[in-house]
Amino acid sequence: SQTIHQWPATLVQPVGSPLSLECTVEGTSNPNLYWYRQAAGRGLQLLFYSVGIGQISSEVPQNLSASRPQDRQFILSSKKLLLSDSGFYLCAWSPPWGTNEKLFFGSGTQLSVL
Amino acid sequence: QKEVEQNSGPLSVPEGAIASLNCTYSDRGSQSFFWYRQYSGKSPELIMSIYSNGDKEDGRFTAQLNKASQYVSLLIRDSQPSDSATYLCAVKSSYKLIFGSGTRLLVRP
Repeated sequence: SQTIHQWPATLVQPVGSPLSLECTVEGTSNPNLYWYRQAAGRGLQLLFYSVGIGQISSEVPQNLSASRPQDRQFILSSKKLLLSDSGFYLCAWSPPWGTNEKLFFGSGTQLSVL
Repeated sequence: QKEVEQNSGPLSVPEGAIASLNCTYSDRGSQSFFWYRQYSGKSPELIMSIYSNGDKEDGRFTAQLNKASQYVSLLIRDSQPSDSATYLCAVKSSYKLIFGSGTRLLVRP
């Protein structure tokens, strides 16, 4: 069966510090990978998605970036965090579109930028 | 312009009642629709998917889709306090899922 791992669960960072969140998927090949952010009491905002190694699409202009160095690894980064980067970050995966189209989420990272 | 709209609630129903959650979407080309449940502080959990017009039942949950009206709904029968959560509607548009902001459901014992 497929599993998705996301860490850390919680993170408190000062403004201006760097960020690296990592996500890995097990039990599947060539998944679509996604990073979403959820601000307190709000819906999910798609930040990045990737359909393959090195293929990253950005949905929202911001100071965040994403990379996919391996097939089942997705990394969210920032060089300098802003207060507005606080939120609940969710990594998700789906099989390649056209097969089973369901999206499955990791357990999330609660990021507080102070 | 929002692409997936939901009433934020809270929707409050007594235990044992039917909870009805609604969602509208703007992309007429969408073919895949999903309902997720999210408990406070947790990640969303997929509970239903629907691809064709009509009803789809899974246990106490029924998803309803009307593509002509661009409307999706979720019915929860025999609501339980454990159903209290935020329910997110999601619509596939191109290579991504677009989520509504969610409806908070409260089931009163």
